[in-house]
Amino acid sequence: QKEVEQNSGPLSVPEGAIASLNCTYSDRGSQSFFWYRQYSGKSPELIMSIYSNGDKEDGRFTAQLNKASQYVSLLIRDSQPSDSATYLCALYSGAGSYQLTFGKGTKLSVIP
Amino acid sequence: GAVVSQHPSWVICKSGTSVKIECRSLDFQATTMFWYRQFPKQSLMLMATSNEGSKATYEQGVEKDKFLINHASLTLSTLTVTSAHPEDSSFYICSAGAGPLTYNEQFFGPGTRLTVL
Repeated sequence: QKEVEQNSGPLSVPEGAIASLNCTYSDRGSQSFFWYRQYSGKSPELIMSIYSNGDKEDGRFTAQLNKASQYVSLLIRDSQPSDSATYLCALYSGAGSYQLTFGKGTKLSVIP
Repeated sequence: GAVVSQHPSWVICKSGTSVKIECRSLDFQATTMFWYRQFPKQSLMLMATSNEGSKATYEQGVEKDKFLINHASLTLSTLTVTSAHPEDSSFYICSAGAGPLTYNEQFFGPGTRLTVL
């Protein structure tokens, strides 16, 4: 069974700090990895996609993927109160259904 | 880019009625769209995969006769909840793939909150 593990939090960081969100997964065959941000009562918003080992940067966000360790992370630099949300790690195995396997999410609170 | 819209954003209906939800990709063509349902404090659950011009593929446990999906064009998919009951009350969210299906990168619409009285 495919599993995606995230620390549920809440993770509290002061404004301006770096927030580090982590995710581990069980399916070694997974080929696509995503970070979504979901505000309460809203739908998920795609923040980052990463497909190969290493780092991928987009503005204040950096995704890191290590397939050997089955680990994917999201760093948010210069955290803002507007970054306060639940961050969902999701992956796609590349086989069978197009179901994305989601983690339960990490709730991030950025304290002004 | 990669904007997905849904209509309506919320709907309240009486038990036994049918409700249609529209999902549109606004700035790209989506050969494949996806329909999810999310109950409070739970993860998104894929209900079905909708392919333009062909029948939808439903996930195990999802009643295809109750949740009718039509994907008539590359920018529009609809979900009809037939004979809705209170247990169908949920947050319904569609998504569309903007890139190669191999990567399955999905962009979500804003969701439709359905309340069945």
